This record gives sequence, structure tokens and C-alpha cells, in this order.
Amino acid sequence: QVQLQQWGAGLLKPSETLSLTCAVYGGSFRGYFWNWIRQAPGKGLEWIGEISQSGSTNYSPSLKGRVTMSLDSSKNQFSLSLTSVTAADTAIYYCARGHVSFGDPFDYWGLGTLVTVSS
Amino acid sequence: SYELTQPLSVSVALGQTASITCGGDNIRNKNVHWFRQRPGQAPALVIYRETKRPSGVPERFSGSISVNTATLTISTAQAGDEADYYCQVWDGSTADVVFGGGTKLTVL
Repeated sequence: QVQLQQWGAGLLKPSETLSLTCAVYGGSFRGYFWNWIRQAPGKGLEWIGEISQSGSTNYSPSLKGRVTMSLDSSKNQFSLSLTSVTAADTAIYYCARGHVSFGDPFDYWGLGTLVTVSS
Repeated sequence: SYELTQPLSVSVALGQTASITCGGDNIRNKNVHWFRQRPGQAPALVIYRETKRPSGVPERFSGSISVNTATLTISTAQAGDEADYYCQVWDGSTADVVFGGGTKLTVL
């Protein structure tokens, strides 16, 4: 059973950098794509980007320029960095598996990390 | 940009059948996935590629598609089916994921 466990700082000030990490347990890390998705309070889902096990990335056009995803295959982990955060970046951030640009679904999700941006 | 349109809310009587629609231009040409999100929980996949059910999802959940509409059908609705439901596609023209706005299902 694949499990995604995520962590990172939950409270940031405007202009700081958001950093989150997601670890994959119970399944293969290689051969899959790994994603970050967020959900503002009371709002819908927004895709942030995906990264392959080889490190190739696709980012949402709306966040490109502020987003960087990376991975550490030796630890079965991948990470999200979002720079220059504002209150609009306050959301629950989820990690998920899926080669979405190939039409595959997000089939496994982390539990989510609430990130609040406030001065 | 590509848009997916879902009703804000759908109500269904206990034991009856609920249908949640997801409208999009020529959506039949895309891979459509459906997610259920219970309050306070992460989304979970319930239907993928329009009609396929992941293992562990009850047969009560089914999907269908026509030219401009994908539909999630939940038969014999139970109280535990109350949740927000989202449809999702990949928009190759913008290289972006598109989610519908979500539908809140209420079981009466």
C-alpha cells in the first residue's frame, strides 16, 4: 500500500519561501511522476506541478516562475519550493502520485499540510 | 483556457441514485478523472479515465461520458457518500491540469 507522508513549515510571512517535502512509502518511487496540489480555504483544487523520477518537471503556468520541484531518489522523497509567498498562497498543500500530463490520475495522496501566510 | 463546469450542489435521498455532471468542450476527447473529498480529508480517486474504478471503490460508483459532459453516478446513496466531488482533466493546449469547481453531494 503506497503512503505519502508530507511535512514542512506551516506559518510563513509574506515574501518568504514555502518549502514542503513528501516521502513515499510502500511502493516504487522510480517510474512514477509526483505532484503538488493545493486548496485554498473553502476553495477548489489547484495543481502546482509534477516531477518525474528522472527530475523532469511540468509546472502550472499560473505559478511558473515561483515554483521549483526537486527529488531525492535515494530517500524516495520529493520537494516543493514556492518563492515570494503572499496571503493568496495560504492553502492546504497535498502531494500526490500521477503522470498527469500523460492523462493519468492522481491515485495516491498525502494527508495535506496547511500553510498559512500572514504577517 | 479550458474550463470544467460542475453544479455547486446535488441532493439525493438515501438509497437513491445521484448524478454529478462535469461539462467541458469536447470533453470526450480527454481523460476524465473523479475525486471524492470528505470534510477534513484529502481527495481520493473514485473514477479514472471516464469509467474505470480503482480497486476498493464500490461498484455503486460509475462514470460515463458524452461529447461535452462527463457524469459520475452514485447508486444506492449512503450517508458516507456525502462529500465534495471534483472532476479533472489535463489540458494539453495550456499544459495545465483543470479541475471542475466541485459539487457538494448531500444525502437526505
